[in-house]
This record gives sequence, C-alpha cells and structure tokens, in this order.
Amino acid sequence: SQQGEEDPQALSIQEGENATMNCSYKTSINNLQWYRQNSGRGLVHLILIRSNEREKHSGRLRVTLDTSKKSSSLLITASRAADTASYFCALSGNTPLVFGKGTRLSVIA
Amino acid sequence: GAGVSQSPSNKVTEKGKDVELRCDPISGHTALYWYRQSLGQGLEFLIYFQGNSAPDKSGLPSDRFSAERTGGSVSTLTIQRTQQEDSAVYLCASSLAGGPDEQFFGPGTRLTVL
Repeated sequence: SQQGEEDPQALSIQEGENATMNCSYKTSINNLQWYRQNSGRGLVHLILIRSNEREKHSGRLRVTLDTSKKSSSLLITASRAADTASYFCALSGNTPLVFGKGTRLSVIA
Repeated sequence: GAGVSQSPSNKVTEKGKDVELRCDPISGHTALYWYRQSLGQGLEFLIYFQGNSAPDKSGLPSDRFSAERTGGSVSTLTIQRTQQEDSAVYLCASSLAGGPDEQFFGPGTRLTVL
C-alpha cells in the first residue's frame, strides 16, 4: 500500500511542549507532504519535503525525511492550544497524493 | 483569490435518495480531487480529474457513485440510492497541475443519510 502510517494515533501535550509525529511508508516517493485538519473539515497544507531533501523548516514546524528508513517526522515546537488538530502525512509517487489516517494532537492550555 | 468552495455545507437525506455535491476549484487549477472521510478516519480517495484526461475513478466505492467535471472547472459528485454507510464528510481539493503538487481543500460537505 502506498498509504503512509502516522504514529502515534493520538498525542496529548501541555502548551509550550514540543510535539513529534511520525509517518512511515513502504513505497518510493517523489515527495511527502504534511497537512493539518481542524474540526473534521478541509485540510490545510503545512509543508512539502522532496525525496532528495533531509530536513525542512517553516516557522515552528520542522520536518525530516529519511528515505533509507522510509520515514518522516513532523516536529511542532513550543506548541499552542491552537495547534490542536489532526495531522496527516501524504505521499506523492506515481499516483495522486495518498493520505494516512492521521495523528490527533491535543494541546492543553 | 477565492479558495475551493463546496456546496452544500451540510446535507441530510433519506436512504434511497440521490444527492449531488458541488465543488468549485481555484481558478486555473487543472487538477481536482474528491475524497471521503468517515468520522475519526483518514481520507479515502474517490476520484481525480486532470485537465482533459480521462478521470481516475479507481477510488469510487460502487457504481452508485459518479462524478463529472464540466468545462474543466466545476465538479459534481453524485451518489445514487444513498445508503447509511455513505454518511461522511466529502472533501474536494484542487491543485495547480496535479501529481505531486500541493492540494488546496474546500471546507467539505457533511452528508448524513437517515
């Protein structure tokens, strides 16, 4: 299956702490993208990392990609209550993006 | 500019009725996607339109589901003879050129089949 698998399924942290979510996959990819979803509605694109990149930053977000281990991680630093959402990794190969089942992050104020 | 819009935002229907869900993609985006998301689950790919190419219908769960995209812009997802298991949020997304490009999502249509 080309679907990525996020880990953990759910994560609860205190405001100010860092949150780390992982995505593992089995096939070759062109790029890997992370999306956020609030309240079960539309997803918002966060960051894209290409297969020849190892790390990328965007504000409080840091994404790593290890193609040898077929895994990626999303780190949110200094979390805020507003970061509470579901986070999905999406894989791009020879077909349209395939989304995982997501990690539900709860940031407690 | 305007983002992806979907209508209606909520739809309640009776089992056996047909429903039509509409998606207006971002102007100029050649690719359009439909997904389904059941409560607490991930996104299930349904169908993908790319320019004038034949759509990728590999994700449609049954022949009760169909979609069209007129004039390379607006898309309609039709579910015939709805069943209770069709209840979900239906999400539409568009991207500039398809493939690995970033997708921009609409707010979704929440479908409830009684």
